[in-house]
Amino acid sequence: GAGVSQTPSNKVTEKGKYVELRCDPISGHTALYWYRQSLGQGPEFLIYFQGTGAADDSGLPNDRFFAVRPEGSVSTLKIQRTERGDSAVYLCASSYRPDNEQFFGPGTRLTVL
Amino acid sequence: RKEVEQDPGPFNVPEGATVAFNCTYSNSASQSFFWYRQDCRKEPKLLMSVYSSGNEDGRFTAQLNRASQYISLLIRDSKLSDSATYLCVVTDWGSSNTGKLIFGQGTTLQVKP
Repeated sequence: GAGVSQTPSNKVTEKGKYVELRCDPISGHTALYWYRQSLGQGPEFLIYFQGTGAADDSGLPNDRFFAVRPEGSVSTLKIQRTERGDSAVYLCASSYRPDNEQFFGPGTRLTVL
Repeated sequence: RKEVEQDPGPFNVPEGATVAFNCTYSNSASQSFFWYRQDCRKEPKLLMSVYSSGNEDGRFTAQLNRASQYISLLIRDSKLSDSATYLCVVTDWGSSNTGKLIFGQGTTLQVKP
């Protein structure tokens, strides 16, 4: 079956611009996670959705970052006023339940010039 | 101090060698433990879960020492295809049972012919 998909695969933007990153989880998976991976580091947790609601957004670095999952399936991570330090690979993962294995998408590589 | 600490390496070993990776975690309340594998410019994939009793999957053996808050991965008879970054991961359930993953920095393994 289809895995987790993410679009775009690459995004180059200029400092100060707004970007949206999309995640399409595995069908039937209620838990959805966003992580950010900087070069040479492991992924860092950003936000967790159970269904439509953000159950844990403790990893969002500041209020420029926001994510939604309006119908409990596709999720969008939104970054306002991008900064060069936001450059990273943004990974999405989904699982059937929070205590099940998480399956990762291929990531979106964001570059802020 | 990072919640999960690993030696980033790289570990350069010849084919057929046995290699061991270790990591330590700081949160004694962590409940689930994993090793993930990440190939260059790819998403992380679950390699194996880690239990106190130890578990083995073919050439791979993982061990957890809760008292020392220490996790290990042993790879026997290394293959060229084992070359990758190995991420030590714990689950932080916290108060909301999110299942979010806390990753170490990763240890890079390069197996040489």
